[in-house]
Amino acid sequence: EADIYQTPRYLVIGTGKKITLECSQTMGHDKMYWYQQDPGMELHLIHYSYGVNSTEKGDLSSESTVSRIRTEHFPLTLESARPSHTSQYLCASSAGQRQYFGPGTRLTVT
Amino acid sequence: QKEVEQNSGPLSVPEGAIASLNCTYSDRGSQSFFWYRQYSGKSPELIMSIYSNGDKEDGRFTAQLNKASQYVSLLIRDSQPSDSATYLCAVIGAGNMLTFGGGTRLMVKP
Repeated sequence: EADIYQTPRYLVIGTGKKITLECSQTMGHDKMYWYQQDPGMELHLIHYSYGVNSTEKGDLSSESTVSRIRTEHFPLTLESARPSHTSQYLCASSAGQRQYFGPGTRLTVT
Repeated sequence: QKEVEQNSGPLSVPEGAIASLNCTYSDRGSQSFFWYRQYSGKSPELIMSIYSNGDKEDGRFTAQLNKASQYVSLLIRDSQPSDSATYLCAVIGAGNMLTFGGGTRLMVKP
């Protein structure tokens, strides 16, 4: 079973706050991904990484940033949260072509 | 045209029936195909992968691939209410990136 963790699971925060969503995996996967998904809507890739010190933007433009300093860790940061950032954020990792997802972080910006 | 197309549904089937979920893709060079299941409020879970033309069976699930028609399907036999979820088709295409369809919502009525 895939071991990929996301914290926090739920976050309610005020406009203008800086937030970091954590994602860690214990499988030694090189590739990691961040998706954004609104309820009942499609998955949108916002960032990905093929290894340490490698990050790329995905298909959906996002104001968030990511870093990959360690293989197992791929945090996502929003410098100034806005209500439009309210969504579910899903982290995934893969060694080959199969992606395994974490449980997600549901973010609400008030 | 979207790269991976699915009917959003909902597809409603009675308990015990066969549910048939369909997906078309635009990149003729695609080689790897996946089905994910996503329960409401949860993260996607990989349930099937298929790489060659034909059928691949795993328990009550059968994935079917027809590369000439650029068509992938998922059959669920003896559908149960617990199968009610959104099913996401995903394809590895150009650039070796996984692209998700919008998903089909399946409802199995007792």
